[in-house]
Amino acid sequence: GQQLNQSPQSMFIQEGEDVSMNCTSSSIFNTWLWYKQDPGEGPVLLIALYKAGELTSNGRLTAQFGITRKDSFLNISASIPSDVGIYFCAGQAPRGSQGNLIFGKGTKLSVKP
Amino acid sequence: DGGITQSPKYLFRKEGQNVTLSCEQNLNHDAMYWYRQDPGQGLRLIYYSQIVNDFQKGDIAEGYSVSREKKESFPLTVTSAQKNPTAFYLCASSGQGRGRPQHFGDGTRLSIL
Repeated sequence: GQQLNQSPQSMFIQEGEDVSMNCTSSSIFNTWLWYKQDPGEGPVLLIALYKAGELTSNGRLTAQFGITRKDSFLNISASIPSDVGIYFCAGQAPRGSQGNLIFGKGTKLSVKP
Repeated sequence: DGGITQSPKYLFRKEGQNVTLSCEQNLNHDAMYWYRQDPGQGLRLIYYSQIVNDFQKGDIAEGYSVSREKKESFPLTVTSAQKNPTAFYLCASSGQGRGRPQHFGDGTRLSIL
């Protein structure tokens, strides 16, 4: 089946640094979603993208829907300790089962104070 | 507050035993989903339901069963046929139609005694 490649798998950064992560697919998607998961909890939706080229911000977070529709990027500016967690991308393919998402394996973010 | 409630938070299963995980939502969402999460893995879809009294198998349905008798509820039974049930189980829901983001509960951690 379809797979999403999410990178990097993990990141160790200093507080205040900017963070970038991305997801790529071999086929096109018509929706990209970014979630954050804290330990022992469910993922929380951060940003939803619905149009190729779309750039959307949510506070210090910015995500983009790639022009080719095969990739998406998430940037976090000026990281703080509470940014720690696992970030997942998820995509919905044009011909997938209605509403079903395909998830990346996550990027684990660690922030050193 | 509107949301998705999963219970219990922790569950232990004895060999040969069936256990049922509860998922209730008051978001008036039509679609509901069950995922399994293992360390270092993305979310894998077990079952989903687009409407009451209807549900479909996901990618890893073997050893699991569901029902959707009410719009608000989508319980998951982990049967004795599931030989490796230890995992974190997440329930999600979304509105109907493409592009509707899924919203997650806080998960149930199932372990083998």
